[in-house]
Formats: sequence, C-alpha cells, structure tokens
Amino acid sequence: NAGVTQTPKFRVLKTGQSMTLLCAQDMNHEYMYWYRQDPGMGLRLIHYSVGEGTTAKGEVPDGYNVSRLKKQNFLLGLESAAPSQTSVYFCASSSIFGGARPQHFGDGTRLSIL
Amino acid sequence: AQTVTQSQPEMSVQEAETVTLSCTYDTSESDYYLFWYKQPPSRQMILVIRQEAYKQQNATENRFSVNFQKAAKSFSLKISDSQLGDAAMYFCAYRSNSGGSNYKLTFGKGTLLTVNP
Repeated sequence: NAGVTQTPKFRVLKTGQSMTLLCAQDMNHEYMYWYRQDPGMGLRLIHYSVGEGTTAKGEVPDGYNVSRLKKQNFLLGLESAAPSQTSVYFCASSSIFGGARPQHFGDGTRLSIL
Repeated sequence: AQTVTQSQPEMSVQEAETVTLSCTYDTSESDYYLFWYKQPPSRQMILVIRQEAYKQQNATENRFSVNFQKAAKSFSLKISDSQLGDAAMYFCAYRSNSGGSNYKLTFGKGTLLTVNP
C-alpha cells in the first residue's frame, strides 16, 4: 500500500527559484493538507483542500500556492523561494467518513533554500 | 482558536520503565478528538493513539495509554515497558469534530523522548 507519497524527498534551491512539491494519495480521501515542520515549532498548516478543485489557507500560507486539479493529487508551489522557507514539508490526507478521520502522512520533503 | 501545549521539550526513560508525556489544550468546543503521533528519526508521522472527547474511558493501544481529563483539558500519554524503539519525537494534536473546521489538526511543539538502555 503506497498511502501518501511525496516527491521529491530532498531538494536544495537557491533564493528566488521556484519549485513544486507533489503529494499523491491512493486512498480516495477527500481532504488533503500541507504542513511545514520547523525545529521547536511542531507542524503548522500551510494550505488544505476539502475536495477536487478547492483549496483554502491554513495558519502559515504566505509565500505558497496550492492546486488540487485531481482528487488524488495536491501540489504545493513556491513561486520565489526564500531562506525562511527552509523546512520539512509534510502532506497528509484523511477521509470524510468515520469518526476519528485520522490523517495519514507522507514521509516528508526536506527543502533547503540557500 | 485552539492551542495545544506540550510543556516537556525533552524526556528520558530507562528501558523497561514507564514514562508519561504531558499535553494540555485549550478549546471552547465539546466535540473533538485528540491524538498522539510518534515521529522517529526516519521522519515518518505514526499515529499512536486517539481519544474521542465524548468517551470517558481512556484509550489504550498495547503499551500506550492515555489519561484524558476533559474538565482539566489534559491528555497525557503513558508508555509502559519502554523499548529502545520508542525513542522519538511525540506530538499531541487536537482536531475539532465540527465539519466547519475541515478536520484540521492543531499540533503541540513536541516532546523528544530518549530511551536509555
């Protein structure tokens, strides 16, 4: 079972460059989320999506854009990377059904901005 | 907005002993879930245990159990018979059960657990 797959796993960028992180889930989940993890800060929500074609801002959305053109994919874009965006990025998904609706996480992408 | 506080940045325990990690949260809601996630050095986020606010019985998963005190807004994790593989960062997380919340998770800052042989 693949679950939630993030690509790439590591990336180094120069300030001002752009890139897109891809998240793919094979569980037919409606909800998808992008978090960033910084030392001593826990995980903070960047953007999320409640279904194909919909996105919304989370706690720390500035400098990021997202798109969900297909239900199984959720893309996170950095248009002009800044050193402050150096972080580990996690994608997660969850079902709309069931009580607990636990979020299933990908293995993360370590992104360094020089 | 909900907040989750983990007051212990680091904890250590001897192998085979018991350790308790603390978590408190702030919310005005009555219907919600609480979770503990484990993040080993591999960076994976692994769900350890969950608790529904309406259930008075504390959740248990093998060596992991919680002490859920709804009135005190406290949700501690007890790890019994600690093993070397339990060494990890542990995150407490809150999730509203309101559909309007879109089931977003609010995380604490984490507790780094070291297990000494």
